[in-house]
Amino acid sequence: GQQVMQIPQYQHVQEGEDFTTYCNSSTTLSNIQWYKQRPGGHPVFLIQLVKSGEVKKQKRLTFQFGEAKKNSSLHITATQTTDVGTYFCAGLNYGQNFVFGPGTRLSVLP
Amino acid sequence: EPEVTQTPSHQVTQMGQEVILRCVPISNHLYFYWYRQILGQKVEFLVSFYNNEISEKSEIFDDQFSVERPDGSNFTLKIRSTKLEDSAMYFCASAGTSWAEKLFFGSGTQLSVL
Repeated sequence: GQQVMQIPQYQHVQEGEDFTTYCNSSTTLSNIQWYKQRPGGHPVFLIQLVKSGEVKKQKRLTFQFGEAKKNSSLHITATQTTDVGTYFCAGLNYGQNFVFGPGTRLSVLP
Repeated sequence: EPEVTQTPSHQVTQMGQEVILRCVPISNHLYFYWYRQILGQKVEFLVSFYNNEISEKSEIFDDQFSVERPDGSNFTLKIRSTKLEDSAMYFCASAGTSWAEKLFFGSGTQLSVL
C-alpha cells in the first residue's frame, strides 16, 4: 500500500533559525496537504499542493511539490516559538483518503 | 470558522466493553472520516464515509468497528469489544464537496482501555 515518510523525525532549532521537513511518498500523488498539530491539539490544515513543481508561500512558510509528485517539503524561515508543533504531510494517491506521514516534531528554543 | 465537535473529550473503559464516540461534522460537509493517533505517533486512517456508506476502510477497521450517521448530523464510531491496543486519540474529520478538499478535524476523544 501507499507509504508516506517524513524526515527528520525531530528537529530542535534556536529561535530565528530556519527549519525544513521533507515528505516522500512511495507512489505518485494526485495532491498533498500539510497540517500542523500543536502539542495536545488536533491537526490543522495549512496548505494543499496539486500541480507538479508547485510552490506556495504563507508568510514565513514555503511549501513545494516535487516535479514527479512523489515528494514535498515545508520550509520555515526564521522560526518563532509559535511554530512549535508537529508538521504532517498527507498524500492523496487518486484514492479517497489522505495517508499521513509520521510527522516532524519541531522544538524552538527561545 | 466552523468546527467539527467531538464528544466525549475523554473516555475510559474496561477491556471488552463497547464504546461509542460521537462527532458532529460541519453542517454542509459531505465527506466524513475517522482517524486515530496513538500518543506521539502518526495519524492513522480508519474509515471514510460518503452518501451514507463506507467508502474506504483501513486494515485497522476490522469487524469490531462500525460507523453510523443516524440522523443527518451525528457521525459515530462504535468499537464493539475494546482491546488494550485500541487506546488512542480518535479524531473525526469532515470535508466539503470532494475527497481532495482540506480536512477539518475535531478536537478528538482520548480513549483509554483498561
